[in-house]
Amino acid sequence: NAGVTQTPKFRILKIGQSMTLQCTQDMNHNYMYWYRQDPGMGLKLIYYSVGAGITDKGEVPNGYNVSRTTTEDFPLRLELAAPSQTSVYFCASSYSGTSGRVEFFGPGTRLTVL
Amino acid sequence: EDQVTQSPEALRLQEGESSSLNCSYTVSGLRGLFWYRQDPGKGPEFLFTLYSAGEEKEKERLKATLTKKESFLHITAPKPEDSATYLCAVQRMNRDDKIIFGKGTRLHILP
Repeated sequence: NAGVTQTPKFRILKIGQSMTLQCTQDMNHNYMYWYRQDPGMGLKLIYYSVGAGITDKGEVPNGYNVSRTTTEDFPLRLELAAPSQTSVYFCASSYSGTSGRVEFFGPGTRLTVL
Repeated sequence: EDQVTQSPEALRLQEGESSSLNCSYTVSGLRGLFWYRQDPGKGPEFLFTLYSAGEEKEKERLKATLTKKESFLHITAPKPEDSATYLCAVQRMNRDDKIIFGKGTRLHILP
């Protein structure tokens, strides 16, 4: 299993440009998440999904959009990039096992908006 | 307001010197509390889920405990490879599944 994969690893955008951060998991997990992490800070939840066709806002959804057409994929869309969106973005998936919730993270996408 | 506070912000220990990291939370009903380890430049690695006061979980040199207001991550006889940032997060028992993270504790174990 590849686990959770994210592309690209790095990206520089100009203000106003748009892009999609890709996230794929091969573990058949229903729950998927997008987080952002600013330097020296914990993670903040942007959007999450409890299954294909179902998404909901997290703590900081403004400026982002998501879709979940399949169990495997959960892309994050930035429509009009702003410097405040400079951050490291992590995608994750989770399941509930016998000992409780278990979460797996991707390696992250480092985004700079200039 | 729902909040997660971790202390200390940073901790330096000698190899073998046991200690504890604290995660205090205020949330309108706790569904679960989670601990993660994060190495520089990498995604977090999931460690534990705790659901109810009094619950404890262990993994190698780490033990996580939970009370009604806080959680502790106890590190016994740490080694240099335990150096990392440790993150705590809570999921509230509500109509949503939102997860709230603390800022983390940077742990450095000196050989």
